[in-house]
Amino acid sequence: EAGVTQFPSHSVIEKGQTVTLRCDPISGHDNLYWYRRVMGKEIKFLLHFVKESKQDESGMPNNRFLAERTGGTYSTLKVQPAELEDSGVYFCASSLSETAASGYTFGSGTRLTVV
Amino acid sequence: SQQGEEDPQALSIQEGENATMNCSYKTSINNLQWYRQNSGRGLVHLILIRSNEREKHSGRLRVTLDTSKKSSSLLITASRAADTASYFCATDATSGTYKYIFGTGTRLKVLA
Repeated sequence: EAGVTQFPSHSVIEKGQTVTLRCDPISGHDNLYWYRRVMGKEIKFLLHFVKESKQDESGMPNNRFLAERTGGTYSTLKVQPAELEDSGVYFCASSLSETAASGYTFGSGTRLTVV
Repeated sequence: SQQGEEDPQALSIQEGENATMNCSYKTSINNLQWYRQNSGRGLVHLILIRSNEREKHSGRLRVTLDTSKKSSSLLITASRAADTASYFCATDATSGTYKYIFGTGTRLKVLA
C-alpha cells in the first residue's frame, strides 16, 4: 500500500510569491489533515477534510492560506502571497477513521522556505 | 503552556547510552503517540499507547503512560547515531476530536 505522498519535498520561494503544496492520501482514507511546524516550534494543526468537505479549518493562520480537496482525493494547500513567517515544514496525514483514536499516517512533509 | 510538552528540550548522549524523554499533557486522552522527525524530513510514527495501557515496547523503544499524572516517557535503549532526531509526543482528547496536539519536541543528539 502506498503511503501518504507529499510534493514538492522542498520549495524555496520569494516573499510575495505563491506556492501550492500537494498531498495524496492513502487510497480509501476519507480523512485528510494538514499540520505545519514552524522552525523550532510545535507541530500545529491546520485543518481537516472529510472527503471533499472541510470539517475543521480552525488552525489556518490567515486568509493567505487556502486548502482544497476537489473530488475528495488529493488535497492542495496554497499560500498566496507567501510571507517569511510561513517558512516551515508542512505535513499531511490521512486516516480511515474520523476520530484520532485510529492514528494517522503522515507524509514526509514539504519544507517551505520563504526568502 | 502546550498540551503535549516534552522535556528535556534537548538531550545529548553517547552512543550506547539510554535516552529518556518525557511528555506531559493536560486533558484526558484516548491515546498518546510518539513520533520521530529526522532533520528536514517527515514524521515517522514510532509507537501508540492507549489510555488503558501502562507500558508498551517496540524494539529498543519503551513507552510508559501514567494517566493519573498525565505524563508519558519514551526510553530508547542502546542508542545509535541514527537515533539523532527530534521526538514528539502527540495526544488526542477524549472528546472525540480528530486533532492530535503536538509539543515542541525533544532534540536528541547521539554522539558516535
